[in-house]
Amino acid sequence: AQKVTQAQTEISVVEKEDVTLDCVYETRDTTYYLFWYKQPPSGELVFLIRRNSFDEQNEISGRYSWNFQKSTSSFNFTITASQVVDSAVYFCALSEAISGAGSYQLTFGKGTKLSVIP
Amino acid sequence: NAGVTQTPKFQVLKTGQSMTLQCAQDMNHEYMSWYRQDPGMGLRLIHYSVGAGITDQGEVPNGYNVSRSTTEDFPLRLLSAAPSQTSVYFCASSYLLTQETQYFGPGTRLLVL
Repeated sequence: AQKVTQAQTEISVVEKEDVTLDCVYETRDTTYYLFWYKQPPSGELVFLIRRNSFDEQNEISGRYSWNFQKSTSSFNFTITASQVVDSAVYFCALSEAISGAGSYQLTFGKGTKLSVIP
Repeated sequence: NAGVTQTPKFQVLKTGQSMTLQCAQDMNHEYMSWYRQDPGMGLRLIHYSVGAGITDQGEVPNGYNVSRSTTEDFPLRLLSAAPSQTSVYFCASSYLLTQETQYFGPGTRLLVL
């Protein structure tokens, strides 16, 4: 079973539309971290947000907002008034501690490709 | 700071050849890791290190070796390249405490013929 599920493989929206990218995760840990990364066509991975499991407050950063709901194990990402520059692959990721190792492991979803059409 | 750097950017290998992908960071991060990215698969962890002299396997370690002799460098070695290792490889680093954000290098695109 996947630990991080991004059910939407590809999404296309027209510029200025709002779009929500879904992320559902699975973990037995009580302490964990969730991330979103953006991978534009140029290929680099750009960090967007980090959220710990104890902070369920929604976060807004400009046109971006994130909705974290532990009850449904979801960490969804909304882009408001989308722009062509938002076209990219977006990855959700889960960080969990590795028992007894003093370390952690980051597990990625398979990504959602967003295309914003002018 | 240069952040996380990777060399080469692109490499073509023949089956059976060996090579080393270089990764360096100048942020004094304890944690470094290697991922591979394949179409439709997201990023999968190959190996990681929590400090100099300490390495461990991730999800897909077969066919790869790593070592960490310094805090700054974390090279990935392909011992005998196979077509299945055609992929884009990303190196990342972060502070270890409290599972801090990993920052990624620009990637190395590897083609094994």
